[in-house]
Amino acid sequence: DAKTTQPNSMESNEEEPVHLPCNHSTISGTDYIHWYRQLPSQGPEYVIHGLTSNVNNRMASLAIAEDRKSSTLILHRATLRDAAVYYCMATSGNTPLVFGKGTRLSVIA
Amino acid sequence: NAGVTQTPKFRVLKTGQSMTLLCAQDMNHEYMYWYRQDPGMGLRLIHYSVGEGTTAKGEVPDGYNVSRLKKQNFLLGLESAAPSQTSVYFCASSYFGVKGTYEQYFGPGTRLTVT
Repeated sequence: DAKTTQPNSMESNEEEPVHLPCNHSTISGTDYIHWYRQLPSQGPEYVIHGLTSNVNNRMASLAIAEDRKSSTLILHRATLRDAAVYYCMATSGNTPLVFGKGTRLSVIA
Repeated sequence: NAGVTQTPKFRVLKTGQSMTLLCAQDMNHEYMYWYRQDPGMGLRLIHYSVGEGTTAKGEVPDGYNVSRLKKQNFLLGLESAAPSQTSVYFCASSYFGVKGTYEQYFGPGTRLTVT
């Protein structure tokens, strides 16, 4: 698994886009980039994952740098319900996910 | 479809007591995991299982045992609880994706306090 580095915390205004960065400079060619989030007092939930190409789903978009050494999770319009800890991980195959401390996102009304 | 359920939701133990946490999933997933989360920290993997009858150690396995006798259940046991095992315990399950990738589904957690 590649080590990932994320800012400890970020702040956003409600209804504005949020860009959450993640560095994974030691990523290997077979490592997928995974994003999960954990709402207060809940278990983590899947957000998105990708390998090389940018990915979109109903929750977010994942932008992956061309060299794959970094990625950005994009929330297009932050809501108060998006306040959570966001975890970025890089793993291959079915290797269990290794959670770091993540980025705590605060959303201001 | 209940997803991943955990029993109990809360428990207080005295040092030296034993207990078993039960995780159940109804999604026919092959993989199941037990994590613990201490205050202000990320999740740490205790044990995991890649199929019925198999288990493997994670990052912090000491003081815990697990069993996967049925595909849908994954049990976590504490034989002699210690205050250092006070934590929130999360169970998760996942399938094996076509390209080896997967989405993990988490349970709501069990809050354990050891006094």
